Amino acid sequence: DIQLTQSPSSLSASVGDRVTISCRASEDIRSCLNWYQQRPGKAPKLLIYAASGLQSGVPSRFSGSESGTEFTLTISSLQPEDFATYYCHQSYSTPQTFGQGTKLEIK
Amino acid sequence: QVRLQESGPGLVKPSETLSLTCTVSGGSISSHYWTWIRQPPGKGLEWIGHIYYSGSTNYNPSLKSRITISVDTSKIQFSLRMTSVTAADTAVYYCARASPSGGWLYYFDYWGRGTLVTVSS
Repeated sequence: DIQLTQSPSSLSASVGDRVTISCRASEDIRSCLNWYQQRPGKAPKLLIYAASGLQSGVPSRFSGSESGTEFTLTISSLQPEDFATYYCHQSYSTPQTFGQGTKLEIK
Repeated sequence: QVRLQESGPGLVKPSETLSLTCTVSGGSISSHYWTWIRQPPGKGLEWIGHIYYSGSTNYNPSLKSRITISVDTSKIQFSLRMTSVTAADTAVYYCARASPSGGWLYYFDYWGRGTLVTVSS
């Protein structure tokens, strides 16, 4: 199975901060990497697809990038509604796998 | 607007069979992969498997011996059946639409709200 390792596992930040979350794949996944946001008690929501594509309706403060097997989600200026848990997901290989999650909390 | 809604028992006894159905509305079932994902309480997400509208399936090898995903295109529904459940199968079960985007890329663009299934006697 392809392992996705997210860092950090948790993060405290303030409204207005710029934050980055990393996701490292255990092998090449050819940009088949997506990012989701999950608020408590809710289903995950797609933010970024194909490493850097912004899903329709998602604010432009969210962006994704990649370098080899390292993927990054960046939130340019945190808003109150952004405090949630974020997951990366790879669809390149069966079984599809998710990172363990990064919980973003208010400082 | 595409909507997905899970339905099924919230409590299943150990060793019995878990059965869930996902009803799709507001869109066609064709040209997408219809997926089951689960999340144990307080934990991360696990991909269970998916079915194409034509009926072809792909399962997580760790669950393959116990699961069946089927589709009913006339009812615009797809279903999950998991046999011999244990407490480790207690989770929120989500259905989701996986949209293909070339090559091996799929992304889950629509999700149901999820349904908690507890395995307990």
